[in-house]
Amino acid sequence: AQKITQTQPGMFVQEKEAVTLDCTYDTSDPSYGLFWYKQPSSGEMIFLIYQGSYDQQNATEGRYSLNFQKARKSANLVISASQLGDSAMYFCAMREGRGFQKLVFGTGTRLLVSP
Amino acid sequence: DARVTQTPRHKVTEMGQEVTMRCQPILGHNTVFWYRQTMMQGLELLAYFRNRAPLDDSGMPKDRFSAEMPDATLATLKIQPSEPRDSAVYFCASGWAPDMDSNQPQHFGDGTRLSIL
Repeated sequence: AQKITQTQPGMFVQEKEAVTLDCTYDTSDPSYGLFWYKQPSSGEMIFLIYQGSYDQQNATEGRYSLNFQKARKSANLVISASQLGDSAMYFCAMREGRGFQKLVFGTGTRLLVSP
Repeated sequence: DARVTQTPRHKVTEMGQEVTMRCQPILGHNTVFWYRQTMMQGLELLAYFRNRAPLDDSGMPKDRFSAEMPDATLATLKIQPSEPRDSAVYFCASGWAPDMDSNQPQHFGDGTRLSIL
């Protein structure tokens, strides 16, 4: 079974609009962390935001926020006021279990922001 | 800003040749990870280290790949002999994990784009 599922291969949004990128995860461990990374066409992986499984509040970082719904096992990324520079691949990842630090990544969503 | 540094950025070589990729983690980070990214498989973890000790290399083909951390400022990933199917982007990432359950982000280098002819 997929640990991380990103069901949207591609998303389009107009500049200045908000967009939500979906991510669902599968784990039975109570201790886990969820991360979002951005990969522009230049190829580097840029850390955006993370949410711990015990965190009570949704994480926010500038224009990025994480809509964490634990019961539904979803951790959607919300980008507000999209900019042209937000066009990139976005990956959701999970760290799970005690004693482990490795991340498992989803297949990614390609976001295209149009003027 | 502190960055993970990877060299070389690009490598083209013929099959059968040895390939060595290097990574300088962010100073003070105690975990180092090697990932491979391909169109077909996405991002896969190859190996990772904590406090220079290898903790997991189950994702790595053992017969031809090896990963080491000779010191805290250098991690290496070697392929010998290389094959065309090894063509991919190889990322190194580092992080600070005060304990094994901490949710600290991993910071990635720019990657090595490897092409095996």
